[in-house]
Amino acid sequence: DQQVKQNSPSLSVQEGRISILNCDYTNSMFDYFLWYKKYPAEGPTFLISISSIKDKNEDGRFTVFLNKSAKHLSLHIVPSQPGDSAVYFCAASNSGAGSYQLTFGKGTKLSVIP
Amino acid sequence: DTGVSQNPRHKITKRGQNVTFRCDPISEHNRLYWYRQTLGQGPEFLTYFQNEAQLEKSRLLSDRFSAERPKGSFSTLEIQRTEQGDSAMYLCASSLQAGTPLHFGNGTRLTVT
Repeated sequence: DQQVKQNSPSLSVQEGRISILNCDYTNSMFDYFLWYKKYPAEGPTFLISISSIKDKNEDGRFTVFLNKSAKHLSLHIVPSQPGDSAVYFCAASNSGAGSYQLTFGKGTKLSVIP
Repeated sequence: DTGVSQNPRHKITKRGQNVTFRCDPISEHNRLYWYRQTLGQGPEFLTYFQNEAQLEKSRLLSDRFSAERPKGSFSTLEIQRTEQGDSAMYLCASSLQAGTPLHFGNGTRLTVT
């Protein structure tokens, strides 16, 4: 049973436009959410996070939105750049569990077309 | 801050052999995690250390797997009697404290032939 779902395996966006990556979760105990970016042959790189006490967090071109009632979060990248082309993973954890281990989705491959 | 370092980057072994991977976390990070990633999947949690104590293990961590973190610094992950199903990318991550992001290394890619 997959607790974190990224239903779009891939996404293509024109350079300069907005990229929107979506993520759904089923475990209501999750209260800390992160996005990671992964290039081939490298480990995941932390991008941005959000706690369940917030519904939005911004960092430069990246904004994460959290809708707790819908158990949905999204990552917006504006404007998209060719260097953003990578696989993006959504991850979630339950702070009550102590370990803060992350449960990941399967990833969405973003291609930004020049 | 030199990041999380993992060695080797690649390991090819024959079925039945033992392998050991090493992870050097970011200094001063007391939390260390091992994950496994297979093709088309996200990373899956294997085990977690806080300092030298192994506090959590996933069901994925069979008896053939053992992890250690002596003195709370580097960590090793050993797989005994490897099977073809063990072929995967093994990722190590560390974090400074509870509620802070995990920082991953570039992984060790294991191929069991």
